[in-house]
Amino acid sequence: EDQVTQSPEALRLQEGESSSLNCSYTVSGLRGLFWYRQDPGKGPEFLFTLYSAGEEKEKERLKATLTKKESFLHITAPKPEDSATYLCAAQRGYQKVTFGTGTKLQVIP
Amino acid sequence: DAGITQSPRYKITETGRQVTLMCHQTWSHSYMFWYRQDLGHGLRLIYYSAAADITDKGEVPDGYVVSRSKTENFPLTLESATRSQTSVYFCASLGGLNTEAFFGQGTRLTVV
Repeated sequence: EDQVTQSPEALRLQEGESSSLNCSYTVSGLRGLFWYRQDPGKGPEFLFTLYSAGEEKEKERLKATLTKKESFLHITAPKPEDSATYLCAAQRGYQKVTFGTGTKLQVIP
Repeated sequence: DAGITQSPRYKITETGRQVTLMCHQTWSHSYMFWYRQDLGHGLRLIYYSAAADITDKGEVPDGYVVSRSKTENFPLTLESATRSQTSVYFCASLGGLNTEAFFGQGTRLTVV
């Protein structure tokens, strides 16, 4: 059975304090690893797709990396507007996507 | 406006009633999905559709029915609502295989 586990469940950072979110997955035949951001009361918003181990992608203060067993979302010098829940999802087919339960990030000014 | 929209945003219904959640996308994406999101669970797939008139069950389909007569619309019907169906429902679409999903803003459904 496909499994995606995110840690920590919640993370509180001071503005400017860098950290990483973890996404561990057990999916045979991974086609893609997705990161989404979800704000309260809204739908998930796409951030990154990673397709193979060793791949990295960056967007502003966010950088996503992928190994054969896990993915990390690194947040450098976060700002309060980065506060959100971050979801990762592992895909092995367009209809076979397993989502983690998310990491709720709070960045305090 | 281009995008994917869900209606209603909020709905309260009684146990046993039928309720339909609407989803409309303007991109002409082939693939559409319905997920539910509950505390302690990741998004779970209810039903999906690869094209008009083609639908299939996801992980948690019991108690739900879908149809897709037009590419842009993908309604989800709860035939006889139960309290366990209280949840936030998201519709999503894919532009192509193995690409990212675009989500609607969600419908918060409460069954009393």
